[in-house]
Amino acid sequence: GAVVSQHPSWVICKSGTSVKIECRSLDFQATTMFWYRQFPKQSLMLMATSNEGSKATYEQGVEKDKFLINHASLTLSTLTVTSAHPEDSSFYICSARPTTSSYNEQFFGPGTRLTVL
Amino acid sequence: AQSVAQPEDQVNVAEGNPLTVKCTYSVSGNPYLFWYVQYPNRGLQFLLKYITGDNLVKGSYGFEAEFNKSQTSFHLKKPSALVSDSALYFCAVRLKTGANNLFFGTGTRLTVIP
Repeated sequence: GAVVSQHPSWVICKSGTSVKIECRSLDFQATTMFWYRQFPKQSLMLMATSNEGSKATYEQGVEKDKFLINHASLTLSTLTVTSAHPEDSSFYICSARPTTSSYNEQFFGPGTRLTVL
Repeated sequence: AQSVAQPEDQVNVAEGNPLTVKCTYSVSGNPYLFWYVQYPNRGLQFLLKYITGDNLVKGSYGFEAEFNKSQTSFHLKKPSALVSDSALYFCAVRLKTGANNLFFGTGTRLTVIP
């Protein structure tokens, strides 16, 4: 149980285009999902916290107009990188917290590698 | 401010030997503590967590970790390392109250030498 999927697993796009990444909790409902970014050989940096049915909460320094987050259902959150540029190339990882979790555990997706040419 | 330190970027250990991956934390309150493992180009896999109770917690794949409140440490250990344990290990903390997000350490790359 507690499986989180991400789609796509990798994507290559041209500079200026927009890319949507999906995060799904497959066998549980998640009121809250988190989006992280990981640069090579670095730790995960929290970008935003996504709550179902409400606006996402962005961490300091993360542009909300560039990284659009939608959490339309209890099993799906999407991250759209708008007008992507090469510096947006990174590994994006989502996590989902089960609605029924007692200790606010998070289960992580396998990640999406974005390469912007 | 919350912070997590993993003082070693790289740990090398011979197969069959015990391994330790260190983690210390600084939080304003009582934390939940976690260890995750990451294989190349993959997301994070949960290994174990400390919530309350016994300071020694056992997790997946034979790993265990000891919560030491006085030293604010939560070192990951395994009695006998396997080559397949080679991966990137992250320590993380979350406060019991307030913000729900995890604060991650910088990661430690473990290499088990055959």
